[in-house]
Amino acid sequence: DTEVTQTPKHLVMGMTNKKSLKCEQHMGHRAMYWYKQKAKKPPELMFVYSYEKLSINESVPSRFSPECPNSSLLNLHLHALQPEDSALYLCASSGAPGMPQHFGDGTRLSIL
Amino acid sequence: SQQGEEDPQALSIQEGENATMNCSYKTSINNLQWYRQNSGRGLVHLILIRSNEREKHSGRLRVTLDTSKKSSSLLITASRAADTASYFCATDAPYGNKLVFGAGTILRVKS
Repeated sequence: DTEVTQTPKHLVMGMTNKKSLKCEQHMGHRAMYWYKQKAKKPPELMFVYSYEKLSINESVPSRFSPECPNSSLLNLHLHALQPEDSALYLCASSGAPGMPQHFGDGTRLSIL
Repeated sequence: SQQGEEDPQALSIQEGENATMNCSYKTSINNLQWYRQNSGRGLVHLILIRSNEREKHSGRLRVTLDTSKKSSSLLITASRAADTASYFCATDAPYGNKLVFGAGTILRVKS
């Protein structure tokens, strides 16, 4: 069992749909992250939240919109995605940026 | 852009053998971390070595760090089939506010 919970585990959506990915942690971590991972590749950082404020946006297209409602929750809102956005989306948290990260098992996203 | 490069890209060994994976990076670091990822799962943190440390052990894992060569190695001794996974190094470069992952090594341990 992981200490970072991501829902849903799988998501199939059309290019015109709007959906959200959710991530929750109860370890008191104040840094939370979204990564995108393609098959046989390392995770690519998308966003970093530190103390509930967006601290890093790795030039991610605006069709991905992150939100941190509180210190335990992280959302990733999706709109008008492209087929190349199909990937595994991983959420992670850590006590501080640069320290060991705890990952969820991800959401497998497929764009039709 | 990726900070670390790893070799080999893939490694296949028999159960009981040792597995060694190498990681190189480009800029100065505060620490280097190793993670394991089983198929279809998230990453799991294995070990962290600070820039002022040269070697660290955790169970069957041994990590070395050579800051002069900007390289690290992960040794898994007496491998088991359950060690089959992808292994990634990650550095907290360049400002320590995020991790940058290497390309990874796919390890297959045959029973």
